[in-house]
Amino acid sequence: QKEVEQDPGPLSVPEGAIVSLNCTYSNSAFQYFMWYRQYSRKGPELLMYTYSSGNKEDGRFTAQVDKSSKYISLFIRDSQPSDSATYLCAMSILTGRRALTFGSGTRLQVQP
Amino acid sequence: DTAVSQTPKYLVTQMGNDKSIKCEQNLGHDTMYWYKQDSKKFLKIMFSYNNKELIINETVPNRFSPKSPDKAHLNLHINSLELGDSAVYFCASSFTGAGAPDIQYFGAGTRLSVL
Repeated sequence: QKEVEQDPGPLSVPEGAIVSLNCTYSNSAFQYFMWYRQYSRKGPELLMYTYSSGNKEDGRFTAQVDKSSKYISLFIRDSQPSDSATYLCAMSILTGRRALTFGSGTRLQVQP
Repeated sequence: DTAVSQTPKYLVTQMGNDKSIKCEQNLGHDTMYWYKQDSKKFLKIMFSYNNKELIINETVPNRFSPKSPDKAHLNLHINSLELGDSAVYFCASSFTGAGAPDIQYFGAGTRLSVL
């Protein structure tokens, strides 16, 4: 079993839809939770990060962390064709081994 | 200005050859990483260096040897390339001071194809 599980999709939605992307994890030591967006043939770029449980909003994007359920989500409101990309969740512990553990990524296609 | 830059962007080579990938960051970060992304887009840590010191060395064949001449540079040398080494290799960097969030910035990747 992988430490971080993510539905690979692909997920296809019409423009303007609300998108929900999710990851589950098994390591309770994870404290930082991130979402990266990766366009085709590009490097991952950080969208949002959250420390411990709670919500964080940035424009059309909202990240949620529920540590009790070991479940994180990214919501995209009013999705745009430019949001079409692979979304990767990533997690790390606070101290010690400072490397990100990634989910396998969800490919999102927003249809105009 | 590119924050994390890798060269080359593409690398096509024959099995058995030795090749190097270079990475430089101008963000003033103290830690640099190499990740491997396989054909299913799964990103996995290979190595990390903090101020030129090897911190993480995952279960990677010893044909892979990272070298960090200074904290702004991290190179990856691969000996005796095999077909299974074909992947996209990403360099990343972050600041890992006490209490700092582990925000890693990635380069554009090096797409390695071993024929």
